[in-house]
Amino acid sequence: AQKVTQAQTEISVVEKEDVTLDCVYETRDTTYYLFWYKQPPSGELVFLIRRNSFDEQNEISGRYSWNFQKSTSSFNFTITASQVVDSAVYFCALSSEQFLRFNKFYFGSGTKLNVKP
Amino acid sequence: DAGVTQSPTHLIKTRGQHVTLRCSPISGHKSVSWYQQVLGQGPQFIFQYYEKEERGRGNFPDRFSARQFPNYSSELNVNALLLGDSALYLCASSLGVDDRKNTEAFFGQGTRLTVV
Repeated sequence: AQKVTQAQTEISVVEKEDVTLDCVYETRDTTYYLFWYKQPPSGELVFLIRRNSFDEQNEISGRYSWNFQKSTSSFNFTITASQVVDSAVYFCALSSEQFLRFNKFYFGSGTKLNVKP
Repeated sequence: DAGVTQSPTHLIKTRGQHVTLRCSPISGHKSVSWYQQVLGQGPQFIFQYYEKEERGRGNFPDRFSARQFPNYSSELNVNALLLGDSALYLCASSLGVDDRKNTEAFFGQGTRLTVV
């Protein structure tokens, strides 16, 4: 079974604070892919990052960083020095080697991030 | 370049009616997937189409159907609408099912369906 849990329903921070969004996943597959998407109020899902199960290196991209830990089945996302434009709903998603071909993702329930000026 | 386009953007229907939602993928993309996103939840996979054939189906009733046309655009049809079908319906396109290096999915802005 594939499952993604985002325990934080909503987070509010003040601009320039750092914030970490948690993601815990469940899968029996040995090869799988993890994603983070951002959903602004306009509705479209904006791709942020994709990691495969064999690559546990943490990644930094500007103010964004991701911490992938297979031992705890977690793929957490940190925004450093948050900005008002970061306000959105963030989704963590999981796909397997089999389902990635079908664009079949298992999404978490999302974390709504509110960044206040 | 145009992204994934969906129409209409908003729609209000009455219980028991039928609805057709449309999706135009990014030029060159042959794979289209449909997702349902109920308010406050993450998107749920409904269908995937590649080269006009259904390649994947989620856990949705037979009231939901889809098809893909020769130009790779797609329609999602829902019959006998229920109140619970109210949701944002998202379409995603990607290059193709057989190219694992280029499987990034691009999503449209969705169609917000309200069933009253």
